[in-house]
Amino acid sequence: DAKTTQPTSMDCAEGRAANLPCNHSTISGNEYVYWYRQIHSQGPQYIIHGLKNNETNEMASLIITEDRKSSTLILPHATLRDTAVYYCIVSRRTVGNEKLTFGTGTRLTIIP
Amino acid sequence: NAGVTQTPKFQVLKTGQSMTLQCAQDMNHEYMSWYRQDPGMGLRLIHYSVGAGITDQGEVPNGYNVSRSTTEDFPLRLLSAAPSQTSVYFCASSDTPPHPSSYEQYFGPGTRLTVT
Repeated sequence: DAKTTQPTSMDCAEGRAANLPCNHSTISGNEYVYWYRQIHSQGPQYIIHGLKNNETNEMASLIITEDRKSSTLILPHATLRDTAVYYCIVSRRTVGNEKLTFGTGTRLTIIP
Repeated sequence: NAGVTQTPKFQVLKTGQSMTLQCAQDMNHEYMSWYRQDPGMGLRLIHYSVGAGITDQGEVPNGYNVSRSTTEDFPLRLLSAAPSQTSVYFCASSDTPPHPSSYEQYFGPGTRLTVT
């Protein structure tokens, strides 16, 4: 599976859009981009995934560049509860979705 | 649905002791996984299962055993605990493709294990 590179930490003002970048320059054609987040002392929580098209759900938007070498997770109106570590993961769909490789992620702090 | 449950929440073991971390899910998911999380290292996959009776090793399997006798349960056994196994352990489950929710892993609340 392709490796990802994320900034170690970021701050964002409450109410503003939080844009979290991820580089995955070695991604291959059948690999998906997944985003999870982990709020302190809890299990990770799925946010969104995509293959090559931009995606949006009730939590966030995922923008994937045309060459698929990078992506951005957008939290449109960040709240204090969005303070968490955000993981960008690139992985093939194997039999299911039973194994993902988590890196060290980006620690996002929402500032009041 | 309770989702994914893990017991115990906290555990302290002495070196050489054995124990089983319990994981159960009530969503009828075929796929289940165990991860450990250590400071500065993200989550690392220990073992996973694609269905009852089928298990396989992940990235860091040494010192751990698993079995999957039912769809619901996926216990993780530490045979002879070592201080290097001090960590937070997360169990996860996911649905069967091509169900839309099969892209998502549902994680339990974790077990914090300390080995002295």
